[in-house]
Amino acid sequence: DVKVTQSSRYLVKRTGEKVFLECVQDMDHENMFWYRQDPGLGLRLIYFSYDVKMKEKGDIPEGYSVSREKKERFSLILESASTNQTSMYLCASSLTSGRVTGELFFGEGSRLTVL
Amino acid sequence: EDQVTQSPEALRLQEGESSSLNCSYTVSGLRGLFWYRQDPGKGPEFLFTLYSAGEEKEKERLKATLTKKESFLHITAPKPEDSATYLCAVQALDSWGKLQFGAGTQVVVTP
Repeated sequence: DVKVTQSSRYLVKRTGEKVFLECVQDMDHENMFWYRQDPGLGLRLIYFSYDVKMKEKGDIPEGYSVSREKKERFSLILESASTNQTSMYLCASSLTSGRVTGELFFGEGSRLTVL
Repeated sequence: EDQVTQSPEALRLQEGESSSLNCSYTVSGLRGLFWYRQDPGKGPEFLFTLYSAGEEKEKERLKATLTKKESFLHITAPKPEDSATYLCAVQALDSWGKLQFGAGTQVVVTP
């Protein structure tokens, strides 16, 4: 089974702190994604990566950056956390295989609270 | 801009009471439409992919259908374990790798 592991399930940070969210997948997937999920807004794409050291902005990249130094690991960085970044963050991965790039495998999520 | 609208926002069903969830979408060329299930406190879990109008997919008590403008997820004779939030997402032909998700329908099935 594909496993996507997010390093922290729950985090509480203060405004202005730097926050790292780590994600590791064990199925050699090329593509990795970071979404945030907020009530009533659904999942919104922050960044995605289709290869090592490659990254593409999603719909809401402002205030975030990412790093993909190894194929299995994709990190989301909040350089200076703000209260409006309080949310559930979901990492996902997928294969590049013709039609199946929409079949995402998600981690369990990291719930971040910024005070 | 791609848009996905799901209705209703919430649905409460008695065990055995069949119903349907709706996913309306606008996209500039559909690569695929996807259904996911999400349990509280967990990440979404993939259910189905639909590629073209007229296509249907089934899994246990769930059946997904697709037209040119919407998709339906039919839940037949639901059980309490079918309680979850069901998410619909579309992938456009020109937006490689990116899915546009709807806000979801929260389904509660009571015994």
